[in-house]
Amino acid sequence: EAQVTQNPRYLITVTGKKLTVTCSQNMNHEYMSWYRQDPGLGLRQIYYSMNVEVTDKGDVPEGYKVSRKEKRNFPLILESPSPNQTSLYFCASSRLSGDPSYEQYFGPGTRLTVT
Amino acid sequence: QQQVKQSPQSLIVQKGGISIINCAYENTAFDYFPWYQQFPGKGPALLIAIRPDVSEKKEGRFTISFNKSAKQFSLHIMDSQPGDSATYFCAASIKSNYQLIWGAGTKLIIKP
Repeated sequence: EAQVTQNPRYLITVTGKKLTVTCSQNMNHEYMSWYRQDPGLGLRQIYYSMNVEVTDKGDVPEGYKVSRKEKRNFPLILESPSPNQTSLYFCASSRLSGDPSYEQYFGPGTRLTVT
Repeated sequence: QQQVKQSPQSLIVQKGGISIINCAYENTAFDYFPWYQQFPGKGPALLIAIRPDVSEKKEGRFTISFNKSAKQFSLHIMDSQPGDSATYFCAASIKSNYQLIWGAGTKLIIKP
């Protein structure tokens, strides 16, 4: 089954404790992206990657890191989480060519609470 | 310039009625306009999309209307059903950079 998986689904942590949210896709997609979803603000892009070893900042990258060492994986790293990073996080992937080439496939989300 | 403005923030429609959600944009370089549907506890999923060379696209009960001169597009859900209750996001993209610019979302509730 074609899918994007994220782990963990729920995470409660304390300020300053480093954490990683994993994301993996099995569709051989070139493009991967991380979003955060907050009420009234919709989806805001944190980072994206158009290929292995190629990453770029989205609209809200402060406080986050990513890496793309393999095509299928795109982990999101919070080196020193703060309460304002409490949010619902989504990983997404898509192809970069073909038609339709823009459809983004989303993971199930990770609910992060930083106390 | 990069924003997509979506309205209303929430919408309650009776079963069998027509649900209408509107979006407006400024950047005339946008060339792809999708709508995503999100159920509680799930990630968004592509519902329907349109390109600016057509004024309307219909898939079952879902229709996108696109007005290029007004820089607006809307989603119409005909014969709305309780199973359509979800959050709907409009978005826009420029082909050259693949990034989607998202609206804030509309929470739709269909009353039985």
